[in-house]
Order: sequence, then structure tokens, then C-alpha cells
Amino acid sequence: AQSVTQPDIHITVSEGASLELRCNYSYGATPYLFWYVQSPGQGLQLLLKYFSGDTLVQGIKGFEAEFKRSQSSFNLRKPSVHWSDAAEYFCAVGMDSNYQLIWGAGTKLIIKP
Amino acid sequence: NAGVTQTPKFQVLKTGQSMTLQCAQDMNHEYMSWYRQDPGMGLRLIHYSVGAGITDQGEVPNGYNVSRSTTEDFPLRLLSAAPSQTSVYFCASSPSGNSYEQYFGPGTRLTVT
Repeated sequence: AQSVTQPDIHITVSEGASLELRCNYSYGATPYLFWYVQSPGQGLQLLLKYFSGDTLVQGIKGFEAEFKRSQSSFNLRKPSVHWSDAAEYFCAVGMDSNYQLIWGAGTKLIIKP
Repeated sequence: NAGVTQTPKFQVLKTGQSMTLQCAQDMNHEYMSWYRQDPGMGLRLIHYSVGAGITDQGEVPNGYNVSRSTTEDFPLRLLSAAPSQTSVYFCASSPSGNSYEQYFGPGTRLTVT
């Protein structure tokens, strides 16, 4: 069955340190890939997306993600986190014929001062 | 351009009561979806619509009804509320065509006692 896995429920990072959030998917073909961010009490905002082409994509707020076909992964990175990056991050994959997304369970990012 | 709007923001219901969660978008998007978000479970699709007059069930449709009489509006009805429906509900919309990118409303936090 098609699935999306975010193996880390929580990640704690010091302010100014680098960040990598993991996302793996199970699907036979190349899917459409997304990262969304949800700040506390808010809706979800699109950070970045990959449809095709360059496997390193840039998003908003200084985030980037790299698609690795051989590893079925789409990990999110940021070189230096800010306290305002504390939020929950969701990986989503479009591989359903009805144009719906399949979602990971989310990773909560905690920033240490 | 308001994007996706949802009302109400908060609601408390007693078991057995019914209510409608409202969702509207002003982007002329064909696709609209309803999700529920529960801790540790990510987003689960309740119902979706690929256009006015067309709706279909998602992963967790039981206890919910939808209709889509116009492109703009996609209300979600709880027929007889149960404590298991305590959750945060998000409405999302997508442009027509082969697009998975979704735009989210701010959410409705529902508590059923």
C-alpha cells in the first residue's frame, strides 16, 4: 500500500543549528512531493514542492528539500534554524489518481534557545 | 482574495447533536477536501469533491456528509456527533487539472462532550 513515513515524532534543535527532517514514501513511480508547516493553532502552509527536474528544491523561509529516488526520500533541510521555526512539519505525497495527498504523521520541531 | 475560509473557529457539541462546518474558497478551485487532524495521526481525508455536484468518500467518511452545490462552498455535516469526532477539521482546495497542491483554511476545533 502507498504510505508516507516521517520517522521522527519530535526533534529538538538548538537555535542556529542545522536541521534535517526525514520523509520516506512507498510508491512504484515518481510521486509529487510536498512539505507543509503548521504553526501552533494555525492551518497548514506550503513550504516547498517537487514535481520534476532538479532534485534539490528551494522553498520559503530558507528551507530546501532533496528528492532521492534511490532512497524514496524527500528530506527537508535548513542550515540555521530560528526560534520562529518551531512548528509541526508534514510531508505529503501525491500519488493517488484522484489528486489527493497522502500525509505523513508529522514531526514536531522544538527549538532550544 | 480571502483564500479558504472556515467557520466557526471553535465549537462544542453534545453527543447526538448535529451541525455544519462551513468552508468557502474564492480562488475558483475545482477540488476541495475535508480533513480531520488528530494528535500523532497526521491528516486523514474525510470527503472530497472534484467539482460542483461531485463528491466522494475519503479514508474516514463515517458520520459525516458533504455536498457541493457551488464551486465556492463545501460544507461538512456531522449527522449525530460522537466524542470520537472531537478533532480539528481542515478544509482545503486545489486548482483544477493535474495538481496536488492544496491550500488550507485555518481550521475548526470541535469538541464533543
